[in-house]
Amino acid sequence: QSALTQPRSVSGFPGQSVTISCTGSTSDVGGYDHVSWFQQYPGKAPTLLIFNVDKRPSGVPHRFSGSKSGNTASLTISGLQAEDEGDYYCSSYAGSLSLYVFGTGTEVTVL
Amino acid sequence: EVQLVQSGAEVKKPGESLKISCQDSGDSFTSHWIGWVRQMPGEGLEWMGIICPNDSDTRYSPTFQGQVTISADKSIGTAYLQWSRLRASDSAMYYCTKCGGGGICSDWGQGTLVTVSS
Repeated sequence: QSALTQPRSVSGFPGQSVTISCTGSTSDVGGYDHVSWFQQYPGKAPTLLIFNVDKRPSGVPHRFSGSKSGNTASLTISGLQAEDEGDYYCSSYAGSLSLYVFGTGTEVTVL
Repeated sequence: EVQLVQSGAEVKKPGESLKISCQDSGDSFTSHWIGWVRQMPGEGLEWMGIICPNDSDTRYSPTFQGQVTISADKSIGTAYLQWSRLRASDSAMYYCTKCGGGGICSDWGQGTLVTVSS
């Protein structure tokens, strides 16, 4: 069971858009629509940003959006804000034996 | 509103046993799954396993199968993560999270830091 692959870091200026990819296989991302995205600030617990590929929980700003194509899911942050700096993790269901798997994590920096 | 409250930080020696807890102050403990997630220092998140408190159906990620035991007591709304023999490599932050179907994990505990050192 390998972690899903994310870029180590992405950066952008305030107001710009950034996209984080999350690449897996047909056994996880490509096989199920149970992809979630989490945001984590240093020293804090993760918080849910996106579930079921592209659904936002109430309270999550509309600038966060999710999508999926084949074995790769993506999180886009539109209109980047300073408060968006942090670590982002994708997660996917990987079947009854492997359970769930996280991505390797991406650090977002606002320049 | 904080719903999941985890037990406090622990400092243990290699070979010792440990059981940490996660108490749900909400009213939906038995209608969700409780998952445990490990985060080693400076590293990413790892799924350890999940339990359905209603019937104690427990699933483990392959990496953690046989290494830890997950349990729950629905009468007091509490889930547990335990080790029978700790190793230094078990030093990490451990989070519990309440999840609906499909890994929709919207509630998280504050984390329990476990340090294993001789």
